[in-house]
Amino acid sequence: QVQLQQWGAGLLKPSETLSLTCAVYGGSFSDYYWSWIRQPPGEGLEWIGEVNRTGSTTYNPSLKSRVTISLDTSNNRFSLRLSSVTAADTAVYYCARDLGYGYGMDVWGQGTTVTVSS
Amino acid sequence: SYELTQPPSVSVSPGQTARITCSGDALTKHYTYWYHLRPGQAPVLVMYKDTERPSGIPERFSGSSSGTTVTLTISGVQAEDEADYYCQSADNSGTYWVFGGGTKLTVL
Repeated sequence: QVQLQQWGAGLLKPSETLSLTCAVYGGSFSDYYWSWIRQPPGEGLEWIGEVNRTGSTTYNPSLKSRVTISLDTSNNRFSLRLSSVTAADTAVYYCARDLGYGYGMDVWGQGTTVTVSS
Repeated sequence: SYELTQPPSVSVSPGQTARITCSGDALTKHYTYWYHLRPGQAPVLVMYKDTERPSGIPERFSGSSSGTTVTLTISGVQAEDEADYYCQSADNSGTYWVFGGGTKLTVL
């Protein structure tokens, strides 16, 4: 049973860098895509970006200039960095396993609430 | 930017059928996925490849597709089905994932 466990700082000041990590337990790390998604308060889900097993990344164009998603294959982890945060980046952030085209995101982390406030 | 359109809310009584639609120009080219999201919980995949149900999802959940609209149908709705439902698909280029705005299903 694959599980994703995520962690990171929950309170940031404007202009700081958000940093979250997601660890994969109980399954293959190298066969899938790994995504980050967020949900601002009172709003819907927003896809942030993904990384595949080779480390190749795809980012939401609206966030591309500030986002970095990276892979740590030796520790079965992947990470999200979002620079120059503002209050608009306040959200619950989720990591998820993407099985690939046609199959969807079948396993999700528990979510991390990130608040940006001065 | 590409958008997927969902109704903000759907309300049904227990035992009735709920239909939640998702519309987008590229849905004729790309698969759609559905998730439900309950407060304080992580999203759960309830449909993939438009019409396929993951293991563990009850049979009352089904999916259909017609042109640029896909529909998630919940037959014999139960109180536990009350949640926000999101569709997901790829943009026109097939490069980026996009989520619909979400539909709040209320079981009366």
